[in-house]
Amino acid sequence: RKEVEQDPGPFNVPEGATVAFNCTYSNSASQSFFWYRQDCRKEPKLLMSVYSSGNEDGRFTAQLNRASQYISLLIRDSKLSDSATYLCVVTLSGGYNKLIFGAGTRLAVHP
Amino acid sequence: GAVVSQHPSRVICKSGTSVKIECRSLDFQATTMFWYRQFPKQSLMLMATSNEGSKATYEQGVEKDKFLINHASLTLSTLTVTSAHPEDSSFYICSATSGGAKNIQYFGAGTRLSVL
Repeated sequence: RKEVEQDPGPFNVPEGATVAFNCTYSNSASQSFFWYRQDCRKEPKLLMSVYSSGNEDGRFTAQLNRASQYISLLIRDSKLSDSATYLCVVTLSGGYNKLIFGAGTRLAVHP
Repeated sequence: GAVVSQHPSRVICKSGTSVKIECRSLDFQATTMFWYRQFPKQSLMLMATSNEGSKATYEQGVEKDKFLINHASLTLSTLTVTSAHPEDSSFYICSATSGGAKNIQYFGAGTRLSVL
């Protein structure tokens, strides 16, 4: 079983749509949680950290359920510029803050 | 946010040559740097973790003699792919962290290596 699992997509949605991405992680000792976005042939960029209480940043809302080992990202009012691959990332407890990446979910927003 | 510079961005080389990739933290001291590899349509895979002044810690399956990592200062780490072969063609990305509770890693722009 992969350590971090995501639906690979692609999700094809029209502008203005609301889209939700899901992610599960296998290691209950996972400590920190993030969503990154990666554009084609570019480096990943941090979108937002994910907290147990849930957190929102503009059109983006992230949720964490530790009991279910489940993370979600909701994007409201999708823009063309949101087209990218969204990576679910966790770190394990212990030294060096090693990031474990999911394979990503591809989003394509069309006019 | 913090800036990590990675150079070169693109390398095309012949099989058997060695390629060095540099990763620099420009405006912070990176206690730890990481090297990742990403094949097309796949996830980033951690290759190794390096701390300034000590030997890198390699992930299982990554040959330390083939992928030489040097982290000589708090702002510079290098990855050398020795005797590169076509199967080493990939997107190599470094990241750096200054540590701290937020555990944020800042990524370089990546190096696309093509071995002919």
